[in-house]
Amino acid sequence: DTEVTQTPKHLVMGMTNKKSLKCEQHMGHRAMYWYKQKAKKPPELMFVYSYEKLSINESVPSRFSPECPNSSLLNLHLHALQPEDSALYLCASSLTGQREKLFFGSGTQLSVL
Amino acid sequence: AQSVSQHNHHVILSEAASLELGCNYSYGGTVNLFWYVQYPGQHLQLLLKYFSGDPLVKGIKGFEAEFIKSKFSFNLRKPSVQWSDTAEYFCAVNAGGSYQLTFGKGTKLSVIP
Repeated sequence: DTEVTQTPKHLVMGMTNKKSLKCEQHMGHRAMYWYKQKAKKPPELMFVYSYEKLSINESVPSRFSPECPNSSLLNLHLHALQPEDSALYLCASSLTGQREKLFFGSGTQLSVL
Repeated sequence: AQSVSQHNHHVILSEAASLELGCNYSYGGTVNLFWYVQYPGQHLQLLLKYFSGDPLVKGIKGFEAEFIKSKFSFNLRKPSVQWSDTAEYFCAVNAGGSYQLTFGKGTKLSVIP
């Protein structure tokens, strides 16, 4: 299994809603990432978890809250988002995190109304 | 901090034409270099990577890239493109030993049958 699975594929939410994005991999990877990709732009790193510990937070607003319950799962909790947060949210994983290729999921297309 | 620039925003080629996409990075230390591809409606996939050794690296689907350290470049090439190569191509740089993978803005390739 060389896949990173993200759910849901599409999400529409209001600015007062609370929702969560989920990411799962069963490749034994110990580094997991959240990226945000706006249309026609490259992915931008949001968070990195290494061995289930948050190692990088790229100055992301607190309305985005990551969680890594175990080595296979990564969540992104969303609360009080703004319309400008509408984007494709990509999860990725790599073996240990440094100098390795990333395996990307298909992403969750998020629309905030 | 490292940065990546891709010179071409949109490249249009006929099938069987040769391809070269430019990528330059700015970072003075050891770097790891990647090319990722995103086919329409699909997730990012790794085309090829360079860590060390032979500066000419071969990837999947007939792509290759050459690392020229003196020019801080890592250009992607393919001798003969196919319609199925239509996609967005991202160059990415990882400064040695860090988790951060910095992407270029991407080059959209359209191949006309």
